[in-house]
Amino acid sequence: GESVGLHLPTLSVQEGDNSIINCAYSNSASDYFIWYKQESGKGPQFIIDIRSNMDKRQGQRVTVLLNKTVKHLSLQIAATQPGDSAVYFCAETYNTDKLIFGTGTRLQVFP
Amino acid sequence: EAQVTQNPRYLITVTGKKLTVTCSQNMNHEYMSWYRQDPGLGLRQIYYSMNVEVTDKGDVPEGYKVSRKEKRNFPLILESPSPNQTSLYFCATRGKGGSTDTQYFGPGTRLTVL
Repeated sequence: GESVGLHLPTLSVQEGDNSIINCAYSNSASDYFIWYKQESGKGPQFIIDIRSNMDKRQGQRVTVLLNKTVKHLSLQIAATQPGDSAVYFCAETYNTDKLIFGTGTRLQVFP
Repeated sequence: EAQVTQNPRYLITVTGKKLTVTCSQNMNHEYMSWYRQDPGLGLRQIYYSMNVEVTDKGDVPEGYKVSRKEKRNFPLILESPSPNQTSLYFCATRGKGGSTDTQYFGPGTRLTVL
């Protein structure tokens, strides 16, 4: 499959553990944030989003936390599974049609 | 099934030989865009289109053209490819809800320009 980059930060976790992937965003005016998952050979896939008027949002096994004070976003994956292995991107937007993407973090899940 | 398709998936070409990467979607979305993905740089927008016959430059439009003659198709054209256009390209579509609407990505096209 396609690799998205050779120099991505990598997080290695054991199957069943919780994963936390972090993202520092650039614009304090950004008002909407998204996490994407990109598996090898595929395009990015929407996971979860959060608006700037919230500091936490939960989905199925995933939670996004937003700290506007330090411009930090995190994605927490509970009970990480081998199928969670992928590259994860955050994206931000500030009242425009344009998304600004981060460079990504590779998550590796080992048995 | 909601789908964004790209063709070809892989292409090796030589400098200066015109090529087109096609993108097609079956979701009746107005908004379509092209990104390139390079190591350490993330996804960067090349061009986008808000609707038929409406296209605008993204962050890295140099060396690319697009057209939007019909809603479902948004081809990316490289009139005279150069090695610095070697990259992984993604087409994406989105509904009317603006940047907060879910964006669907195609599977990607790996382009190598020799």
